Amino acid sequence: GAGVSQTPSNKVTEKGKYVELRCDPISGHTALYWYRQSLGQGPEFLIYFQGTGAADDSGLPNDRFFAVRPEGSVSTLKIQRTERGDSAVYLCASSLRLPSGTYNEQFFGPGTRLTVL
Amino acid sequence: TQLLEQSPQFLSIQEGENLTVYCNSSSVFSSLQWYRQEPGEGPVLLVTVVTGGEVKKLKRLTFQFGDARKDSSLHITAAQPGDTGLYLCAGPRKGSNYKLTFGKGTLLTVNP
Repeated sequence: GAGVSQTPSNKVTEKGKYVELRCDPISGHTALYWYRQSLGQGPEFLIYFQGTGAADDSGLPNDRFFAVRPEGSVSTLKIQRTERGDSAVYLCASSLRLPSGTYNEQFFGPGTRLTVL
Repeated sequence: TQLLEQSPQFLSIQEGENLTVYCNSSSVFSSLQWYRQEPGEGPVLLVTVVTGGEVKKLKRLTFQFGDARKDSSLHITAAQPGDTGLYLCAGPRKGSNYKLTFGKGTLLTVNP
């Protein structure tokens, strides 16, 4: 009965470096989401996967951000050439897939706190 | 753009007091969710309200969805230190059942 897990819990990197953030969703959840939460803000949608494919990546801020989910389970968020403005908590959530038009509860992981120096 | 505005932004009260926090929008939402987030953790869903005028109770927490489905409130009776946390409201964006818009949250501190 494990929940959504994310690794690492904290990541400190230098400006210009590449980072990967990992998310393990709840077993059996076909939908996976990435959000970014800046200090003093609510989570902001980045990308949504249904299975292996990115069904909606409209929230990714620019082409330095990319996410994959090759086997429909674990997902990795990749950030190239990190900038100080990328510093935030990156949250992953997963949910069951319900029929279209039905809201489905998203279960959140604890997040990865990314600090870009 | 559908925005959710939460008030107050910060609230510090003594144990045993009652409080209400608000979530307002100029847009209609098909549903609204309330989450509580503790430091170092992700948001945890408390409740989903779907029908205009709906009232849901969860122990000492009472949630209300406005008749026009543009606003919601969370009332806590006899607050306890364990209620301390960031309370977030969120709703699915128009045309989507998965892309959530979140408010900035109300940071509640209940002092013993």
